[in-house]
Amino acid sequence: KAGVTQTPRYLIKTRGQQVTLSCSPISGHRSVSWYQQTPGQGLQFLFEYFSETQRNKGNFPGRFSGRQFSNSRSEMNVSTLELGDSALYLCASSYWGGAEAFFGQGTRLTVV
Amino acid sequence: GIQVEQSPPDLILQEGANSTLRCNFSDSVNNLQWFHQNPWGQLINLFYIPSGTKQNGRLSATTVATERYSLLYISSSQTTDSGVYFCAVGGNYGQNFVFGPGTRLSVLP
Repeated sequence: KAGVTQTPRYLIKTRGQQVTLSCSPISGHRSVSWYQQTPGQGLQFLFEYFSETQRNKGNFPGRFSGRQFSNSRSEMNVSTLELGDSALYLCASSYWGGAEAFFGQGTRLTVV
Repeated sequence: GIQVEQSPPDLILQEGANSTLRCNFSDSVNNLQWFHQNPWGQLINLFYIPSGTKQNGRLSATTVATERYSLLYISSSQTTDSGVYFCAVGGNYGQNFVFGPGTRLSVLP
């Protein structure tokens, strides 16, 4: 059974640009959540989608947004990139909110 | 919101030694998982353990939900056990983990 797949793995963007990251969950999983990991702030929750609806949202500015499609694949978008957005972005999927979650390999975003 | 603490922050062991990592959390949770982050950044599942005790080879974990802590035991440690171990807890609605700061384990040959 395929795991959680995130694309792209690495990305370099310029300040002010926007970026879209993709996450394909494990087949049958309906919950997808996103996390940002930085050396200074550790792992922080961005948002969760379940059945195409945002169910939970972390404490991030509106430049960070996401969506989920009918096949449960999810995308997150960051607009007007700032240097501080450089981070490892991880997504996780699970059958439902409290079930065991599995993480993808992450997308490492560098903003220059 | 829920606060998660992990101890110790850093741990250095000789190969073959045993260790105990601790995770304290500030409120009731419906999900608790332990992860090992590999050098490439991926979080590898160790245990899904909202309560009770589980064992998997040299690793075992115990969560005492009523006292709001979880323990991860590593026995006969190997150099491949090196890395950062995270405890993550989830609240009562949805999949929105709060992660601890991690324990960085270094196993020396």
